Amino acid sequence: DVKVTQSSRYLVKRTGEKVFLECVQDMDHENMFWYRQDPGLGLRLIYFSYDVKMKEKGDIPEGYSVSREKKERFSLILESASTNQTSMYLCASSLLGQGSTQYFGPGTRLTVL
Amino acid sequence: GEDVEQSLFLSVREGDSSVINCTYTDSSSTYLYWYKQEPGAGLQLLTYIFSNMDMKQDQRLTVLLNKKDKHLSLRIADTQTGDSAIYFCAESNGSQGNLIFGKGTKLSVKP
Repeated sequence: DVKVTQSSRYLVKRTGEKVFLECVQDMDHENMFWYRQDPGLGLRLIYFSYDVKMKEKGDIPEGYSVSREKKERFSLILESASTNQTSMYLCASSLLGQGSTQYFGPGTRLTVL
Repeated sequence: GEDVEQSLFLSVREGDSSVINCTYTDSSSTYLYWYKQEPGAGLQLLTYIFSNMDMKQDQRLTVLLNKKDKHLSLRIADTQTGDSAIYFCAESNGSQGNLIFGKGTKLSVKP
């Protein structure tokens, strides 16, 4: 079974803090994705990566950065957390190529106070 | 641009059939997906259909694809309270494997 894990289920941070969200997959997938999910807005793609050290901006990259130093790990970084980044963050991975199924982690609910 | 639309809410009685509808815009999508999200959890792949198929059945789930109208539906037979969740429709987009998701349909099943 594909397994995608995220470092925390719940996280509470203060405005201005630097926040790291970690995602690890064990299926040797080339693609990894970070989404945020907000009520009424569905899933919005923040960044994705199709290879080590490669990254592409998604629909809402502002205020975020990412790091992919190893194939199995994709980190989302909030350089200076703000209250409007309070959200559910979902990581996913897939094989390279159109139509590849994305497998999701359980999500991290981040609250920024 | 690409867009995936679905209604936000659906309420049914236990034992009835549920039909969740989705429209998409990218006619070149190769695969279309249905994901299920239970409260507080990530998304779980429910089923998918290849674009050259009209229908796919998997136990209580039936997926219908009308490629001409760019319309996808998910039918759940004999809906149970455990089917209460948010259901996301998604289309594949681009050669690298991005998916475009709808906003999700919240299915409520009343006993």
